[in-house]
Amino acid sequence: DAGVTQSPTHLIKTRGQQVTLRCSPKSGHDTVSWYQQALGQGPQFIFQYYEEEERQRGNFPDRFSGHQFPNYSSELNVNALLLGDSALYLCASSPRLDGNYGYTFGSGTRLTVV
Amino acid sequence: QKEVEQDPGPLSVPEGAIVSLNCTYSNSAFQYFMWYRQYSRKGPELLMYTYSSGNKEDGRFTAQVDKSSKYISLFIRDSQPSDSATYLCAMDSNYQLIWGAGTKLIIKP
Repeated sequence: DAGVTQSPTHLIKTRGQQVTLRCSPKSGHDTVSWYQQALGQGPQFIFQYYEEEERQRGNFPDRFSGHQFPNYSSELNVNALLLGDSALYLCASSPRLDGNYGYTFGSGTRLTVV
Repeated sequence: QKEVEQDPGPLSVPEGAIVSLNCTYSNSAFQYFMWYRQYSRKGPELLMYTYSSGNKEDGRFTAQVDKSSKYISLFIRDSQPSDSATYLCAMDSNYQLIWGAGTKLIIKP
């Protein structure tokens, strides 16, 4: 049983560019959350998607947007990249009813902005 | 002040020692408390979760929550070199997790 799959694993972008990160949730999971983890820090919540809608959002600017597809997979889009957006971006999926303790995390996409 | 405080370490102990990892928090509304383990270049992996105050044991791992002190702990018995990783505490808040910065643990053979 595949867990959470994220692509790509690594990405290098130039300041000002746009990026799309992808996530396939674990089988049986319908909720996807995205987190940003800077080096040496704990993850920071970006947003959560359920039933193809953004349900919760953390303290991130509108440059960060997302989407969830009918098969529960999700994308994270970041526009007008800044150097400070360099981080590990984690996708976590869960069955909705399990709440926060049912999360399974992917290995992340490491984004470097130069 | 951060909502969740965690000493970043590194914490280095010899193999077989008992390890104690801790977090303090400020939001009394937190109900679920979790410990995750993160190896280098990997995503966090849930080790244990506890609801409200009390203890929970799973093999070599014991989680403790003291809501009156806003203090949680993870104990690892008979530590192994494979336990070397970063350990992060996390707490629930309205369908999002609030995390500590993580403690880097090194178990020396």
